[in-house]
Amino acid sequence: GIQVEQSPPDLILQEGANSTLRCNFSDSVNNLQWFHQNPWGQLINLFYIPSGTKQNGRLSATTVATERYSLLYISSSQTTDSGVYFCAVNYGGSQGNLIFGKGTKLSVKP
Amino acid sequence: GAVVSQHPSRVICKSGTSVKIECRSLDFQATTMFWYRQFPKQSLMLMATSNEGSKATYEQGVEKDKFLINHASLTLSTLTVTSAHPEDSSFYICSAPRSFAFFGQGTRLTVV
Repeated sequence: GIQVEQSPPDLILQEGANSTLRCNFSDSVNNLQWFHQNPWGQLINLFYIPSGTKQNGRLSATTVATERYSLLYISSSQTTDSGVYFCAVNYGGSQGNLIFGKGTKLSVKP
Repeated sequence: GAVVSQHPSRVICKSGTSVKIECRSLDFQATTMFWYRQFPKQSLMLMATSNEGSKATYEQGVEKDKFLINHASLTLSTLTVTSAHPEDSSFYICSAPRSFAFFGQGTRLTVV
């Protein structure tokens, strides 16, 4: 099956810093989503981005499908950005279920 | 607002009892829903695919007799953990696709 690898596994930032999270996947995908899991466990949809670039406030994401990676950019980080960020993909032949990476745990210090 | 609603958000039960978790799509029909499990400090792993009007499809290693799935209508799927044991304690979360995946709030199950 498809492999989804995220890096770095852990990231500690000072408030106001910028960061880049990476997601590599081993095969062509139909769908790629970025999520933020809050301390209560809820998965917050950040981006649906099988290809191209999108921006939403301080967050932006880029997926280069031909090179099988996606990047999530967080600018001017805030303490509320802390949590785990997951990349998840859906690939051809599956029924729409997502394969998750292991996540990047982000801690933003005041 | 939320498009997928999951209840309960937290449940504590005694070993040997059964627990039912509901997953509802709020303003769209979902012929397929997905159930995931997440152990502490780990990623989400697909447990099973819930199909309206037919049997669920379980991932390898998931006991279908322990984790009963019923897709009763186009907006409701339920997961019942039968004869729960402490090792079943985990975070269970459902999703329904609507152009892309939306997730419920999740259910934290603790079996004592």
